[in-house]
Amino acid sequence: DGGITQSPKYLFRKEGQNVTLSCEQNLNHDAMYWYRQDPGQGLRLIYYSQIVNDFQKGDIAEGYSVSREKKESFPLTVTSAQKNPTAFYLCASSLRNDEKLFFGSGTQLSVL
Amino acid sequence: GESVGLHLPTLSVQEGDNSIINCAYSNSASDYFIWYKQESGKGPQFIIDIRSNMDKRQGQRVTVLLNKTVKHLSLQIAATQPGDSAVYFCAENWEYGNKLVFGAGTILRVKS
Repeated sequence: DGGITQSPKYLFRKEGQNVTLSCEQNLNHDAMYWYRQDPGQGLRLIYYSQIVNDFQKGDIAEGYSVSREKKESFPLTVTSAQKNPTAFYLCASSLRNDEKLFFGSGTQLSVL
Repeated sequence: GESVGLHLPTLSVQEGDNSIINCAYSNSASDYFIWYKQESGKGPQFIIDIRSNMDKRQGQRVTVLLNKTVKHLSLQIAATQPGDSAVYFCAENWEYGNKLVFGAGTILRVKS
């Protein structure tokens, strides 16, 4: 089945620790995105990538980093510089220049 | 700034009734709108979308209406079922291909 796989489903971060969230898609989509979801708020864009080896900051990129070495993969690292990392993180993908996003099932990140 | 917003944070309907979820937008330059359904602990699922050159679009049991005069978007669900209980998000595209701006969401509760 084609789709977007996020792992792990739950992740805990210790103070000062970097953690990496995985996102893999087999839809052959060019574009991939990371969103953050907080309770009672809309999704906010962290980073996006339209093509391999290229990515752009979204609205709330501070404290996060990404890489796009392969078309299928777009991992997100939550660095120690992100002081409020507790949130539900959603990865999405789309065809190039297509507005319709397909989402993964999310990763809930919490701070210990 | 301009943003997508929702009139009602929670909507309760009786099973079998029709549901109407509303969304107000303020960016007159938006030319694409989309509705997603999100169940607890899962990623958003695409429901239906519409471009600004249309007033109405129908899917299976769902209809999206766009009123550009008053900048209003609505999602109508016919014969609402318990499985329709979820959070519904509308989003608009300010920049072609890579920037969906999401509203905070409306909770739909279906009473049996």
